[in-house]
Amino acid sequence: QVQLVQSGAEVKKPGSSVKVSCEASGGTFSRHAISWVRQAPGQGLEWMGGIIPSLGSIKYAQNFQDRVSIIADESTSTAYMELSSLRSEDTAVYYCARGGAPLIYYFMDVWGNGTTVTVSS
Amino acid sequence: EIVLTQSPGTLSLSPGERATLSCRASQSVSAYSLAWYQQKPGQAPRLLIYAASGRATGIPDRFSGSGSGTDFTLTISRLEPEDYAVYYCQQYGSSPLTFGPGTKVDIK
Repeated sequence: QVQLVQSGAEVKKPGSSVKVSCEASGGTFSRHAISWVRQAPGQGLEWMGGIIPSLGSIKYAQNFQDRVSIIADESTSTAYMELSSLRSEDTAVYYCARGGAPLIYYFMDVWGNGTTVTVSS
Repeated sequence: EIVLTQSPGTLSLSPGERATLSCRASQSVSAYSLAWYQQKPGQAPRLLIYAASGRATGIPDRFSGSGSGTDFTLTISRLEPEDYAVYYCQQYGSSPLTFGPGTKVDIK
């Protein structure tokens, strides 16, 4: 059974960047999309973008495309999301999630444990 | 971008009652590409339903999904104590993937 394990909580200053990792174990990595979804405190879910490693396909939501970078390292089955120019509104839990079928951005059947990012001066 | 609207915002029901949650899309969702998730406090979302009506692995049959086009429904036939949570719909028929704002099901 696939598991996604994310890196630990981060506290960042406004204007800085954060890089969150998501390591997959127990299943195929490169053929499934890994999406990044964030959830601000008390708010809903927001898709930031995703990557399908074997296709080299990367998509970003328009709200984030100027500030986010998503990459994957197939050798370690790890995806990364880097968000730059952080502001207080970026304080949120960031989840990675696996697409439910190969080679397509889809529903998400496996979710990571979430990484809390706090942006504060 | 497809905007999803969920109603009601909060649903207050007693255990054993039937819950009916609505998800409406701003334009037609292609090929029944609609999923439902359950989220409890402090936990990651959990996939319940995909392709509008397909139940994910391990999901009890009291959860069912229906609908097509712009109108979708999640039904919980008889609420169990563990079903009190927030439910989100998500469309994956077109990019960007989008989520609805959620419906909270709480205890009456």
